[in-house]
Amino acid sequence: QTVVTQEPSFSVSPGGTVTLTCGLSSGSVSTSYYPSWYQQTPGQAPRTLIYSTNTRSSGVPDRFSGSILGNKAALTITGAQADDESDYYCVLFLGSGIWVFGGGTKLTVL
Amino acid sequence: QVQLVQSGSELEKPGASVKVSCKVSGYTFTTYAMIWVRQAPGQGLEWMGWVNTNTGNPTYAQGFTGRFVFSLDTSVSTAYLQISSLKAEDTAVYYCARGMGLRSGRPDYWGQGTLVTVSS
Repeated sequence: QTVVTQEPSFSVSPGGTVTLTCGLSSGSVSTSYYPSWYQQTPGQAPRTLIYSTNTRSSGVPDRFSGSILGNKAALTITGAQADDESDYYCVLFLGSGIWVFGGGTKLTVL
Repeated sequence: QVQLVQSGSELEKPGASVKVSCKVSGYTFTTYAMIWVRQAPGQGLEWMGWVNTNTGNPTYAQGFTGRFVFSLDTSVSTAYLQISSLKAEDTAVYYCARGMGLRSGRPDYWGQGTLVTVSS
């Protein structure tokens, strides 16, 4: 069974830049997996940030960007702010109508 | 604006069944897929599957076949998730989410979540 991998945790300084990644237990992530990214704060529903690799959802600031870096999808936050401290999840399309979430990355801004 | 409003928290005993509803507004119900996502306490998101709201055809992820059923009532723009033979490990928040298209299982707009607690 294919597993979608993410860093369990990451930290960034206020104003800094951080890149979170989303990979596969076997194989490389490409645009054909239509990677999407979500932000979730405790007690809240997820919020869509990025879809189809690098398209920002409506209202998402441009300091959030998506890309493919090497064999993984990536979410880069530029100029991190305190309220970026959240859990971040990626989801990948594995074919036959099936999508799978990664385990999520807990981002700390300090 | 697009809104997905879910039913309230449920407390059920092991072996019972529960039905969670998700009523949408702000768009035509039958033109976007409906997706269901589970989040156990302190855990990550799990993609459960999706249903084509035009045909009613569901797709279930591995691990969500048998006891989990997606259904629709298009007359009231509402999707349902029914879970039967509840187990303690079904305790979780269940989210509905609109797909990015009729045949897309990728979540876009989200409901607020419904907490289902299974306890004797």
